[in-house]
Amino acid sequence: QKEVEQDPGPLSVPEGAIVSLNCTYSNSAFQYFMWYRQYSRKGPELLMYTYSSGNKEDGRFTAQVDKSSKYISLFIRDSQPSDSATYLCAMSVAEYGNKLVFGAGTILRVKS
Amino acid sequence: NAGVTQTPKFQVLKTGQSMTLQCAQDMNHNSMYWYRQDPGMGLRLIYYSASEGTTDKGEVPNGYNVSRLNKREFSLRLESAAPSQTSVYFCASSVGGARGYTFGSGTRLTVV
Repeated sequence: QKEVEQDPGPLSVPEGAIVSLNCTYSNSAFQYFMWYRQYSRKGPELLMYTYSSGNKEDGRFTAQVDKSSKYISLFIRDSQPSDSATYLCAMSVAEYGNKLVFGAGTILRVKS
Repeated sequence: NAGVTQTPKFQVLKTGQSMTLQCAQDMNHNSMYWYRQDPGMGLRLIYYSASEGTTDKGEVPNGYNVSRLNKREFSLRLESAAPSQTSVYFCASSVGGARGYTFGSGTRLTVV
C-alpha cells in the first residue's frame, strides 16, 4: 500500500464548478501538508501549505486537513479553464530535515 | 531570476549508454533533490542532498548516481541506461524546509 493515495482522475468539470480534490495517507506522523499544481510539461509549483489540522484559504482555494481521518482536501471555487492541471498532494513529518512524500496526482480539466 | 535550471530538456538514449543530467539553482538553497515522475506513480525521490558535501539515497536509487558539485549544482548520472529508466526527471531545491520546494521544468528521457 502506498503511503499517500490520490485518485488520478481525470476529473472533468464545467467552468464555475466547485472542485474537490482529495488524498488519504497512512503515516500518522505527517504534520505538514502541501498541494502542488503542475501544468503540462512543467515542473510542480507550490499552491497551498498547511500545518496540522484545520482549514486554510487563499483566494478561490481552500486546503483542509483532517488528521483524525488521515484525509486532506483541496477545494477550488469558481473553477476556471486556467485551473486545468495536475494537482499533487505532498506531506512531511517535519518542517526541516525530512523529505516530501507525494501522491500520484489528480488530472483536472475545467471545460469552458 | 532563473530558479532551478535543468539540462537537457529532452534526451533519447540507447540501452547501455550513459549520460548525466545537470541541475543548477541560483536561490542559495541548501537542499537539492532528484525525482522521477511516471504515469500513475507520482513523484518518486531518487537521491537528495541535504547540504553541500552530503548525498543520500531516496526511494528509487538503483541505477543512478549523483554528485553535489557545489552549493548550486547537483547532477544525476545514469551509468548504463535501461528502458525502465524512461521517465521525466525533475530536480528541486529548498532552503531546507518542507514548504519551499522549487522545481525545474524537467528532463524527458527515453531509453530505447
